[in-house]
Amino acid sequence: EVQLVESGGGLVQPGGSLRLSCAASGFTFSSYSMNWVRQAPGKGLEWVSYISSSSSTIYYADSVKGRFTISRDNAKNSLYLQMNSLRDEDTAVYYCARGGTIVVVVAATDYWGQGTLVTVSS
Amino acid sequence: EIVLTQSPGTLSLSPGERATLSCRASQSVSSSYLAWYQQKPGQAPRLLIYGASSRATGIPDRFSGSGSGTDFTLTISRLEPEDFAVYYCQQYGSSPWYTFGQGTKLEIK
Repeated sequence: EVQLVESGGGLVQPGGSLRLSCAASGFTFSSYSMNWVRQAPGKGLEWVSYISSSSSTIYYADSVKGRFTISRDNAKNSLYLQMNSLRDEDTAVYYCARGGTIVVVVAATDYWGQGTLVTVSS
Repeated sequence: EIVLTQSPGTLSLSPGERATLSCRASQSVSSSYLAWYQQKPGQAPRLLIYGASSRATGIPDRFSGSGSGTDFTLTISRLEPEDFAVYYCQQYGSSPWYTFGQGTKLEIK
């Protein structure tokens, strides 16, 4: 069974930093691209960042470019999101979501974790 | 950047009725790289449809997707009580890598 479990959320002051983690199991993590998607309270879904299976390709939404860094450790089956210079508008539930493979690069996000809440407030 | 616009914002129907949800893209979606998700309160989104019309694993056949280019539709043939939720469309593969529509809330009439 595919499982994605996020952790690392919490309350942080504006301008602060936080590192999110996503532990994957039930599939060959190193074969899949991964994503972070967020959802502000009562709002819709916003894609945040993408990392390919080998970490060779990385994309960011304009709203987080230069402040957030995505990374992964295939040996540990883990995905990360380093968030710096946090703003009030970064307050959201952050989900990790599985993407495509080396063979099927472009794919919908088929499995999602339950999310971790990040609150940016003074 | 492809912008997805979903309509209606809220759809009020009764169990047993047919639901038709629309997703319109600001430009053509490559190779029908269009997906639909269902989200219930407090839960993560669940993939229903990918490639515009292919059902994801375990999704009942009352859910169907159609469309191409800029106009896409999610149809639920006969609503079950558990189908009342928020539905999002998503395009993938065009810059930015993923974009979502703003959602349609399907509520019980």
